Amino acid sequence: GAVVSQHPSRVICKSGTSVKIECRSLDFQATTMFWYRQFPKQSLMLMATSNEGSKATYEQGVEKDKFLINHASLTLSTLTVTSAHPEDSSFYICSASAQGRGGYNEQFFGPGTRLTVL
Amino acid sequence: KNEVEQSPQNLTAQEGEFITINCSYSVGISALHWLQQHPGGGIVSLFMLSSGKKKHGRLIATINIQEKHSSLHITASHPRDSAVYICAPTGTASKLTFGTGTRLQVML
Repeated sequence: GAVVSQHPSRVICKSGTSVKIECRSLDFQATTMFWYRQFPKQSLMLMATSNEGSKATYEQGVEKDKFLINHASLTLSTLTVTSAHPEDSSFYICSASAQGRGGYNEQFFGPGTRLTVL
Repeated sequence: KNEVEQSPQNLTAQEGEFITINCSYSVGISALHWLQQHPGGGIVSLFMLSSGKKKHGRLIATINIQEKHSSLHITASHPRDSAVYICAPTGTASKLTFGTGTRLQVML
């Protein structure tokens, strides 16, 4: 199956610093990448949808200036949490979407990045 | 009312049991994902289906688009199947709507 990697898998940072998370599709070209956040014992929440070469589309309530998304190629998207605060501590997961049969786009998920802001 | 309802929310089974997890949704969809999330957090896409039935190893997923219902079955369950199983219908722009998940624990 299609493989998506994320780096780093875990990061601890001080309040006020910025953290960059990379999401790569390793063996396919992803037309679209999605960024999710998950708090303990809760469902995944979509933060933004990213298409290669264009600006990301953010979900309501997600600050685009705080969560910067860059999708420079069909295999790489990055999420930068700027001026991180303790309330940004969460599990961040990306997924990459590939065109499937019949036009349905299956999503393949990265292993996630656990961010802890002190 | 949630757009995606899963049942049961929690399930404990003995090794070898046949397991069924149900998903009902009210949103219009083009397809539906079944996802598996292990305690470490990583998510695996088990199936994406838009009609009928799919089988992969001991896992079977079915969907009835007219009834807006999908089921995930696990045959001959094993402790390594212990995880959270998430139903996620796919709507417009390939966006997923997530169910609350079913926490499965398979005991020896």
